[in-house]
Amino acid sequence: QVQLQQWGAGLLKPSETLSLTCAVYGGSFSGYYWSWIRQPPGKGLEWIGEINHTGSTTYNPSLKSRVTISVDTSKNHFSLKLTSVTAADTAVYYCARGYCSSTTCYNLPEAVWGQGTTVTVSS
Amino acid sequence: EIVLTQSPATLSLSPGERATLSCRASQSVSSKLAWYQQKPGQAPRLLIYDASNRATGIPARFSGSGSGTDFTLTISSLEPEDFAVYSCQQRGNWPPSFGQGTKVDIK
Repeated sequence: QVQLQQWGAGLLKPSETLSLTCAVYGGSFSGYYWSWIRQPPGKGLEWIGEINHTGSTTYNPSLKSRVTISVDTSKNHFSLKLTSVTAADTAVYYCARGYCSSTTCYNLPEAVWGQGTTVTVSS
Repeated sequence: EIVLTQSPATLSLSPGERATLSCRASQSVSSKLAWYQQKPGQAPRLLIYDASNRATGIPARFSGSGSGTDFTLTISSLEPEDFAVYSCQQRGNWPPSFGQGTKVDIK
């Protein structure tokens, strides 16, 4: 059964770069879409972006200028970088794997999630 | 970006009762609507995708319906473990977006 384990710095100062990594255990990287999603305190979820096993990425336009998602298939890892963070970036960040039906993995919601990483931006 | 509005914000029910949750999109998302369950301190759990399809391992008491802009999640008979926050997500228009959630709590 696939599991996602994520890690990264939990406390950042304004203008620093957020960096998180998500390791995939017990499953293949190929064929799936791999996402990052965040949840500010007391608020709803926000989709950040996704990458597939070939490295093709799609980002939320609201964050696109600051976000990079990359994949290292040799290590079964994928990563998130968010530059120039502010207090508004304070949130729990999740990595996730997209669902696959019997016919497709394309444009389906996230089904397997990491444990979440709390990131706080404060001076 | 598509705005998803969930109602009610809170639903107070007793175990065994039927829960009906609504998610309305600001424009059509076809059938690209998913439902999640989230408990405090936990990651979301996918329940329903493409409006009405249960994800693998999800009990039959969870069902979804709707298309276009109006969607419903129904829990036919609430079990104690079903008291949680439920969120909808659309993938009919880019970027994917989520509703603010409906909390189902014990009456």
